[in-house]
Amino acid sequence: DAKTTQPTSMDCAEGRAANLPCNHSTISGNEYVYWYRQIHSQGPQYIIHGLKNNETNEMASLIITEDRKSSTLILPHATLRDTAVYYCIVRDSNTDKLIFGTGTRLQVFP
Amino acid sequence: NAGVMQNPRHLVRRRGQEARLRCSPMKGHSHVYWYRQLPEEGLKFMVYLQKENIIDESGMPKERFSAEFPKEGPSILRIQQVVRGDSAAYFCASSPSVLRNTIYFGEGSWLTVV
Repeated sequence: DAKTTQPTSMDCAEGRAANLPCNHSTISGNEYVYWYRQIHSQGPQYIIHGLKNNETNEMASLIITEDRKSSTLILPHATLRDTAVYYCIVRDSNTDKLIFGTGTRLQVFP
Repeated sequence: NAGVMQNPRHLVRRRGQEARLRCSPMKGHSHVYWYRQLPEEGLKFMVYLQKENIIDESGMPKERFSAEFPKEGPSILRIQQVVRGDSAAYFCASSPSVLRNTIYFGEGSWLTVV
């Protein structure tokens, strides 16, 4: 079972920051948080991952709380092409596989 | 560097036929994962393989489904005697040999059983 909970859906205006929350209260000390997104009918696309420090790359920023029980993915300037289902995943430290939950359906509107 | 390559992208099979889906991992990647996505549902883990070894097949149906990743050539997901309920998108992913390296996904193979 997925170890994360996310809101089912969110809306964001084009050009504004999209902040996608994720709860992972049972995360273990050596488990990473990964974010992927899936645009309709395409394969999941890797966005970013982190352990306990905040991370930033060309796509997004990942903010992880100090207790590591939750995190937020930030898309700083959302565009229409960012409309997708966003998955927050705690990667299994024993088997190394990704277990997908139901994700957050982000709709960016003009 | 080419990404994860899957073929065929679309496959139509009649009930009772066999379906073979192929996956070539990214260059230098020796770990392969297969996932299935039924219409309007999330991705479900099926199997995790390394070269010539099945590491975790906890998500594979017990019958009709098999997977391999030979020393040479692509990984193959094989579905025997397909039924309508097998109609889905099948995604392959790969990662390098070191644990916790990023996993990258292919664009999927869409199986339709008629």
